[in-house]
Amino acid sequence: QKEVEQNSGPLSVPEGAIASLNCTYSDRVSQSFFWYRQYSGKSPELIMSIYSNGDKEDGRFTAQLNKASQYVSLLIRDSQPSDSATYLCAVSVLLMNSGGYQKVTFGTGTKLQVIP
Amino acid sequence: DAGVIQSPRHEVTEMGQEVTLRCKPISGHDYLFWYRQTMMRGLELLIYFNNNVPIDDSGMPEDRFSAKMPNASFSTLKIQPSEPRDSAVYFCASSLDSPNEKLFFGSGTQLSVL
Repeated sequence: QKEVEQNSGPLSVPEGAIASLNCTYSDRVSQSFFWYRQYSGKSPELIMSIYSNGDKEDGRFTAQLNKASQYVSLLIRDSQPSDSATYLCAVSVLLMNSGGYQKVTFGTGTKLQVIP
Repeated sequence: DAGVIQSPRHEVTEMGQEVTLRCKPISGHDYLFWYRQTMMRGLELLIYFNNNVPIDDSGMPEDRFSAKMPNASFSTLKIQPSEPRDSAVYFCASSLDSPNEKLFFGSGTQLSVL
């Protein structure tokens, strides 16, 4: 089982709709969760981080975390064509025998297409 | 700040040649990461450093790959000898004082091994 799993898509939504992106992870002790956006040919950039169960809102973006189900999602309200990109879910994983160090593991990403 | 700076942006080489990728992290950042991105495997962590010390190199594919961080402002990732399956985009990233916070990525190096 992969540490972080995402549906590769593409996920197509009409402009103005809500886009829902999902991610599951395997390590029950993971504590930090991130969503990065990557435009084609560009580097990833952080758009949301979440550390506790529940919802976290930032503008049109809402991150949702359910640690019991090992599930994290990203909702994009009022989707715009400029939101078309690949969205990468990232999760912290404890490194064994490292004295407490963690590393951030990425999913393979979901490609989102917002249709004008 | 100029952000994370990587060089070169593109590298085309022949199988068997040595390849060296370079990275300058954001000044003051304690953590530096090397990632590799391919369509099939996504973004994979190769190695990361804390205060110039390698913490986790479990993602380094094999002995052909090596990484160094001689000082706080410079790191290299070397592949010797290179193989066609090494073709990918290699990203360097840095973070301020934890591996669990925002990663700032460089523009990446597109490596093609013929």
